[in-house]
Amino acid sequence: QQPVQSPQAVILREGEDAVINCSSSKALYSVHWYRQKHGEAPVFLMILLKGGEQKGHEKISASFNEKKQQSSLYLTASQLSYSGTYFCGTDHTSGTYKYIFGTGTRLKVLA
Amino acid sequence: DGGITQSPKYLFRKEGQNVTLSCEQNLNHDAMYWYRQDPGQGLRLIYYSQIVNDFQKGDIAEGYSVSREKKESFPLTVTSAQKNPTAFYLCASRETSGIVYNEQFFGPGTRLTVL
Repeated sequence: QQPVQSPQAVILREGEDAVINCSSSKALYSVHWYRQKHGEAPVFLMILLKGGEQKGHEKISASFNEKKQQSSLYLTASQLSYSGTYFCGTDHTSGTYKYIFGTGTRLKVLA
Repeated sequence: DGGITQSPKYLFRKEGQNVTLSCEQNLNHDAMYWYRQDPGQGLRLIYYSQIVNDFQKGDIAEGYSVSREKKESFPLTVTSAQKNPTAFYLCASRETSGIVYNEQFFGPGTRLTVL
């Protein structure tokens, strides 16, 4: 089943923060985050493998909860360049290489 | 430079015609994927291939076909059985090496329009 992302869309002013969530009804083996600009291919941001993991840097970071059913992406002090659609991606089932994406979150940063 | 190429960038098709979208990678990745994206929507998996001469249906395979005769190539054919094929098609690949955690690398996409 496709992971569900929330919110579906968010509008920010430059400098504001945002949190994007990716939730699954079953434990995920790993989660990847991507950003897609309009008309372009998605670009990889980061990967999380372990329950309880947090990674990233000051501006863009992510976490993976202990049960590995939810991941969150944190965008701090947003910039205009952060605008785009964010997707989480995951292996559907271990060992099958079937890879699916979440429902997506459209983020727009205004000056 | 290593990467994934897709051609053509734009493709127009008349109803009832089959068309083939090209996808080539020189990253030496074993696994390759095709996704469909409709305007304002997410990416839905059409087909994927773990190794040469093997491929699996994704979530929306009806009306599509693929082949994987070479490691570098994974062409997608959109057949006349696909009732609403107008969409943005993305090809991707990933390194597996026995670990199913690596991220996907994408080609630039092909925008297909049915006239």
